[in-house]
Amino acid sequence: DARVTQTPRDKVTEMGQEVTMRCQPILGHNTVFWYRQTMMQGLELLAYFRNRAPLDDSGMPKDRFSAEMPDATLATLKIQPSEPRDSAVYFCASGLVFGQGPHNEQFFGPGTRLTVL
Amino acid sequence: AQSVAQPEDQVNVAEGNPLTVKCTYSVSGNPYLFWYVQYPNRGLQFLLKYITGDNLVKGSYGFEAEFNKSQTSFHLKKPSALVSDSALYFCAVRADTGRRALTFGSGTRLQVQP
Repeated sequence: DARVTQTPRDKVTEMGQEVTMRCQPILGHNTVFWYRQTMMQGLELLAYFRNRAPLDDSGMPKDRFSAEMPDATLATLKIQPSEPRDSAVYFCASGLVFGQGPHNEQFFGPGTRLTVL
Repeated sequence: AQSVAQPEDQVNVAEGNPLTVKCTYSVSGNPYLFWYVQYPNRGLQFLLKYITGDNLVKGSYGFEAEFNKSQTSFHLKKPSALVSDSALYFCAVRADTGRRALTFGSGTRLQVQP
């Protein structure tokens, strides 16, 4: 049963510290998404990649957030320095998308709950 | 720009009764529409999608959704609700061209009472 995995599941850190969240997409999927979920803002798209190349990171605060895909099996989201307002659940999702054709469903990971004190 | 509106923060329904969760959308071009469900402390799970074809789409767990182009709506429905359907439901949209990422609505919490 193929699943998206995310680590860590929970992270508590202090303001100013670096945070790295990891995601392993489903094998064979060519698109990876990072979302952030908060009570106030709901589900926000931060960035997404197609074939490991960033396609859109307009939802991400550029000064402190960075997203990369070092290889096809790993996506990372890094916050440096972290701030209390970054506290949220961060979801990774993967999918299979070809060109402009019909969009197949995204498969979500369980999320990383980040608390910045 | 594309957007999704879920006008109800919460929907309450008695077990065995039909349920409807509302969604309206705005896109330039033809829409691809999706419903996802989120259980507590879990990621979102895909329920169903509309790409083209029949306006009534059937999905997982007995859910279905009706695409109405004139009303730009894609309401989620189920003929008979179960207590286990209680969860957070998200509608999402993208256009058939341009930006490939989905835009999600704010979510509607469904509470099914025994």
